Amino acid sequence: QLQLQESGPGLVKPSETLSLTCIVSGGSISRSSYYWGWIRQPPGKGLEWIGSISYSGSTYYNPSLKSRVTISVDTSNKQFSLRLNSVTAADTAVYYCARCYYGSAEFDYWGQGTLVTVSS
Amino acid sequence: QSVLTQPPSASATPGQRVTISCSGSSSNIGNNYVYWYSQLPGTAPKLLIYRDDQRPSGVPDRFSGSKSGTSASLAISGLRSEDEADYYCASWDHSLSGQVFGGGTKLTVL
Repeated sequence: QLQLQESGPGLVKPSETLSLTCIVSGGSISRSSYYWGWIRQPPGKGLEWIGSISYSGSTYYNPSLKSRVTISVDTSNKQFSLRLNSVTAADTAVYYCARCYYGSAEFDYWGQGTLVTVSS
Repeated sequence: QSVLTQPPSASATPGQRVTISCSGSSSNIGNNYVYWYSQLPGTAPKLLIYRDDQRPSGVPDRFSGSKSGTSASLAISGLRSEDEADYYCASWDHSLSGQVFGGGTKLTVL
């Protein structure tokens, strides 16, 4: 059974960089049909897709966040990472990692999510 | 402002049938599959319907999806108290080259 687990600091200061990692276990990260994505959910609000990456490093990002987001992959350690720079309080959210597919809105396996608060 | 439009809330009594709508455009729903997710408080979303009307294994047949033009619907029949959750639609948007979600519908079982 595929499992995903997010990790990273729960508190980030305004204007700094948010960094999270998602570790994949119980399955392969390197199948060509899979992409690996990040989705966030501000407290009490809806879901927002952030961006996704393939095992080979091909990325695509939400245009509204593209200028601040970098997603990278480390296949040898079966993990992928999110960096969001110049954060503000509006970036406070639960961040989820998930498996997805390019050209589809199917997210079939999700991590449990991690709350990141932006505050000084 | 979400790209896909859902009603913020819906409610029904146990045993009833409820439908949740999701409206989009030709950039997304009109030319791509629709997916539905359910989310219980404090938990990650769960895939409920894929490719417009398909159920993953383990999802009861009380849940069904449909699509017409640029709109989609999720129907839940034989409503149960454990169906009380937030429901989100999602689709690929070829103008944005990415996935888009609806704003979510909070379902209350009265």
